[in-house]
Order: sequence, then structure tokens, then C-alpha cells
Amino acid sequence: QVQVQESGPGLVKPSETLSLICSVSGGSISSFYWSWIRQPPGKGLEWIGYIYYSGSTNYNPSLKSRVTIAVDTSKNQFSLKLSSVTAADTAVYYCASLTGTTRGYFDYWGQGTLVTVSS
Amino acid sequence: SYELTQPPSVSVSPGQTASITCSGDRLGDKYAYWYQQKPGQSPVLVIYEDDKRPSGIPERFSGSNSGTTATLTISGTQAMDEADYYCQAWDSSTVVFGGGTKLTVL
Repeated sequence: QVQVQESGPGLVKPSETLSLICSVSGGSISSFYWSWIRQPPGKGLEWIGYIYYSGSTNYNPSLKSRVTIAVDTSKNQFSLKLSSVTAADTAVYYCASLTGTTRGYFDYWGQGTLVTVSS
Repeated sequence: SYELTQPPSVSVSPGQTASITCSGDRLGDKYAYWYQQKPGQSPVLVIYEDDKRPSGIPERFSGSNSGTTATLTISGTQAMDEADYYCQAWDSSTVVFGGGTKLTVL
């Protein structure tokens, strides 16, 4: 059974870069696509982007200018960097496996990690 | 950009049938996916590719998709089904989520 776990700072200052890591266990990172999704407190889900183990990526157009997702196959991890954050980026950030693109779904989710943007 | 619209809330009595809709331009030409999220928990897939149930999801969950509307139907709704439900679809190579529907069982 694949498990994914988010890690990273819970507090980020405005204008700085949010950095999170997702660790994959119970399976190879080469087996799926991998994605980041966020959920502001009390609000809905927002897809951030996905990456394949080869390094190919696709991002939400609304966040594309600030987002970088990378993969480290040697560590079975992938990461998220979101630059120039504001209070609007405060959210629970989830990492999840994605079965495919154009017709895939998110099947394994992490527990989520709350990131607060505040000085 | 592509948008999926869900009603903010739906109420149902225990044992009755709940229907949650998700509307989008030509959504019927795409696959719809549905996730259940209970308070403080991560989302769980309940329907994929319009009408397929993942292993472990009760038979009372079903889905359909035609025209501009996908529908998640919960037959014989139980108190444990009270949750937020999100639809998801693909627009080209990007993922789109609906705004979510809070299902209240009362």
C-alpha cells in the first residue's frame, strides 16, 4: 500500500518561498504521477500541479508563475516550492498520487500539512 | 478557464437518496470523479470515470454523467455519509475541482 507524507515548515513569512516535501513509501515513485493540492481553511480543493518521475510537469495556470514541483527518485520524494507567498496561500497542502493525466484520479493522499503565511 | 459548479449544500434524511450535482461545459464529454472529505480528514475517492466505484466504497454510492451535468447519488444515505463532496474533471491536461457540496444528513 502506497503511503505519502508531507513535511515542511508550518509558518512562512509573506513574500518568502514555501517549501514542502512529500515522501513516498510502499511503492516506487516511478509508478505514478505525483501531485500537490491545497485547501484554504474552510474552503475547497485547489489543484497546484503534478510531476512524473521523468521530471515532466504541469501546473495550474493560476499559480504557474510561482510554482516549481521537482522529483528526487533516489529518495522517493517530490517537492513543492511556491514563491512570493501571501496570506492567500495559507492552506492545508496535500500531496497525492495521480493515476494518470487527462483521465486520472488522486488515489493515495497524505494527511495534509497546514502552512500559515504570516509575519 | 474551465469551471465546475456544485450546490454549496444538500440535505437528506437518513435512509433517503441524496443527489449531488456537478455542472460544467460539455462535462458529459469528459470523465467525472468524486471525492468525499470528512472534517479533519483527507479526501477519499468514491467514484471514478463517471460511474465506477473503487474497492471498499459501498454500493450505495453511484455516479452518472451526461450533457453538462455529473451526478453523485447516495442511496439509503447513512449518518456516516455526512461530509463534503467534490467533483473533479480534466480540462485538457489540467485538473479542475468543483467548489464542493456539504451533505447534511438530518
